[in-house]
Amino acid sequence: QSALTQPASVSGSPGQSITISCTGTSSDVGSYNLVSWYQQHPGKAPKLMIYEVSKRPSGVSNRFSGSKSGNTASLTISGLQAEDEADYYCCSYAGSSTHVVFGGGTKLTVL
Amino acid sequence: QVTLRESGPALVKPTQTLTLTCTFSGFSLSTSGMCVSWIRQPPGKALEWLALIDWDDDKYYSTSLKTRLTISKDTSKNQVVLTMTNMDPVDTATYYCARTIAVAGTRVPNWFDPWGQGTLVTVSS
Repeated sequence: QSALTQPASVSGSPGQSITISCTGTSSDVGSYNLVSWYQQHPGKAPKLMIYEVSKRPSGVSNRFSGSKSGNTASLTISGLQAEDEADYYCCSYAGSSTHVVFGGGTKLTVL
Repeated sequence: QVTLRESGPALVKPTQTLTLTCTFSGFSLSTSGMCVSWIRQPPGKALEWLALIDWDDDKYYSTSLKTRLTISKDTSKNQVVLTMTNMDPVDTATYYCARTIAVAGTRVPNWFDPWGQGTLVTVSS
């Protein structure tokens, strides 16, 4: 069982927006603005999409955005495209004992 | 361009020790703020962080696997090595290494980018 809770699946039609939630605790997501999100296509390595809750690395589309409220972080993808269909994982720093925790992953289907 | 590549055995027997090597280029592990992590993913399952080594040779491990893991680096060869003892079939997974950036002025891991392509390790007799 993963430390961070994500919905197993979400779906949306092309052009729509979807949001993936990532719920942790006051020991990880709630305490640090160190949440990152990764996109993983089948058979491929994960790719960084968001870091420090809401920052986008160079080269990542501005259709991807992140936010946080309390113990829950969220990834929003606007203007859904077929290429966005993938698994998405959240990750958070969790203090000096546990260090890093990942979510269980969310499969995004573009209908 | 930063790249990382994992190497090691594709098949190990139960109780054996696994040794994986991450060979990287495009950055130096002696630069402040630079780290390398190992992360694994069992088939069809989620990512699990395993270990991290930083520019100052400090090492951090997953609480649940700490007794079985050892991470080390050879800065001159641009390599990071992970050993995992007493392998079990539940350890079957794709093992990734990833450059890890620490929060400025701290040893706190911030994000993982980029990742290697991963290497599938199967544990079976």
